[in-house]
Amino acid sequence: AQSVSQHNHHVILSEAASLELGCNYSYGGTVNLFWYVQYPGQHLQLLLKYFSGDPLVKGIKGFEAEFIKSKFSFNLRKPSVQWSDTAEYFCAVNGATNAGKSTFGDGTTLTVKP
Amino acid sequence: EAGVAQSPRYKIIEKRQSVAFWCNPISGHATLYWYQQILGQGPKLLIQFQNNGVVDDSQLPKDRFSAERLKGVDSTLKIQPAKLEDSAVYLCASSLDGTSGNTIYFGEGSWLTVV
Repeated sequence: AQSVSQHNHHVILSEAASLELGCNYSYGGTVNLFWYVQYPGQHLQLLLKYFSGDPLVKGIKGFEAEFIKSKFSFNLRKPSVQWSDTAEYFCAVNGATNAGKSTFGDGTTLTVKP
Repeated sequence: EAGVAQSPRYKIIEKRQSVAFWCNPISGHATLYWYQQILGQGPKLLIQFQNNGVVDDSQLPKDRFSAERLKGVDSTLKIQPAKLEDSAVYLCASSLDGTSGNTIYFGEGSWLTVV
């Protein structure tokens, strides 16, 4: 079975601060990893994903994530957050043999103070 | 490109009543998902369709929930009878062909409150 753990339920930052959101997964084989974002009043949308190759993945709006296989982690980072990054962030894992069935973490709410 | 469409957006019903949610996925997407998202939690997969066949419904409470995807396009999720703990957002999503690297595209969700 696959599972995801997001360590921080709510993070509050000031604009220009650096961001790192933790994500650890559990799965015994090859995985695809995703970060989704949900802005206030909007639907969930893909921020970035790791499929294969370079473990450092760059996404939209200056976000990046690093897949560290030995730590079963896929942490999300951004060097300088903006007020518009206020949203809920979900990490998801999809084992390569799980036919597109993604398991989501419980999310981290990010609040950026102007 | 049109996104995933869902209706109704909001529904309030009394316990033991029934409710149905409708979903139209992105055109050409073979895989359709229904997720349940309870406040404070991440989306939990209820059922996954590949065209009009069920791939996974292991987490669907089959005594009260049912879903169908006739003709491999639109889908309906029904709850009968509803319980208080069914209050949640029901998310429909679709992906191109259901392989593990596919991006999942979500609709805006149908918010259900059971009173």
